[in-house]
This record gives sequence, structure tokens and C-alpha cells, in this order.
Amino acid sequence: ETGVTQSPTHLIKTRGQQVTLRCSSQSGHNTVSWYQQALGQGPQFIFQYYREEENGRGNFPPRFSGLQFPNYSSELNVNALELDDSALYLCASSRTGGNLNTGELFFGEGSRLTVL
Amino acid sequence: TQLLEQSPQFLSIQEGENLTVYCNSSSVFSSLQWYRQEPGEGPVLLVTVVTGGEVKKLKRLTFQFGDARKDSSLHITAAQPGDTGLYLCAEVFGGTSYGKLTFGQGTILTVHP
Repeated sequence: ETGVTQSPTHLIKTRGQQVTLRCSSQSGHNTVSWYQQALGQGPQFIFQYYREEENGRGNFPPRFSGLQFPNYSSELNVNALELDDSALYLCASSRTGGNLNTGELFFGEGSRLTVL
Repeated sequence: TQLLEQSPQFLSIQEGENLTVYCNSSSVFSSLQWYRQEPGEGPVLLVTVVTGGEVKKLKRLTFQFGDARKDSSLHITAAQPGDTGLYLCAEVFGGTSYGKLTFGQGTILTVHP
């Protein structure tokens, strides 16, 4: 149990549709990072949110967007879904700043997206 | 960000055997983390190494960081079926705003009883 919860756990969409994935961070954590993990691969950094703003982005197109809310929870939105978007989407929370910043990252169990 | 190469990609061994997993880069790592991921779960942090030549132990797991900080290894002694999983190395980037990682492709370890 990492205290990071993601929803939904599984979902199926068709090409061209849009999807929203949700993440609640661990208590006391103010930073949320999103990763995409294709089958048999390591996770790839999508972007990070801190203070409700994007704080760094990986090599992903603009149709991948996100939000962070005042309670530090976050959403990942993907528009115009493509077959290659099928993957496990992981959310990770951490603490930026202050003496609670241990550099440790806590991952949720992920949302498994299948695009048909 | 740099490319991390892990080897081997797959490892299938019997309970009680020893094994080593490697993580290499052509560039110097700022700091490196090792994670284990089990099916249906997110990665779980095992260790962070920062200083060249550093060695850390976690029960039967020994982690080494190369002197030049361009390679790292994970050695498991007397592997058990509970060690089965995907082992990932990851470089931390982005300064003190932790959470930005570049992962290797992982090593899938299967330990047979």
C-alpha cells in the first residue's frame, strides 16, 4: 500500500476517443508525476505537476494533457486516442521542498488502457 | 535525458542461485534508483545510489554504483520465488523536484521453486 490511488484500473476505448485518468496522491505529497508503460518496457515520463502547474514534460505530444487540483490530486487526459496509446498509465507522488523531501517516489497500481 | 541499458532482458533461475543485473549508460548518472515491479502493481523503490563506488545492501540484495557513475549493478544472493518481478533502474533528473525519472527497459526475473 503506497497511499497513491488511481482510477479506473482498467478501461477500453476506441481510436479517436478521449480518456481521463485520475490519481490521488499520498497524504503530505504535493507533486504528481505521470508515466506511460508499454508492455514489456520500462515506464516513460509524461509530465509532472507541482503547485497546479506543469513542471516538466517528456517526449509526448500536446494531446496528452493534465491538471492538478488544490488537494494535489491529478488528472491525465489523452485526446484523439491512437492504438499505440494502449499501455499502463502510472501515477507517482512525491514531496517537493521542505524537510519531508526524501527523494522517494510512490507509485499507484496504474490504469490499464486498451485502445481498439 | 540519457538512454539506460539494462542486461540481461530476461533471467530465469532456480531457487537458491545467485544473479546479477546490470544498468549502463554512456553518460554520467546524477543519481540512480533501483525499483522492483510485480505484475499488476506500480514500481517500488529499492534503493537510491548517489556517490561513485557506493555499495548498499538490502537483505540479500547488494547494489553497486560504478566509480565513474556510468554503471550500476544489482546482485541477489540465494534467490527466492518471492524475488520474481521486473527490476528497473532509473536515473533521477530535474533537480530537487523529485519524480522525474528515466527508466531502463527492465530485467524480467523468474525464480523457480
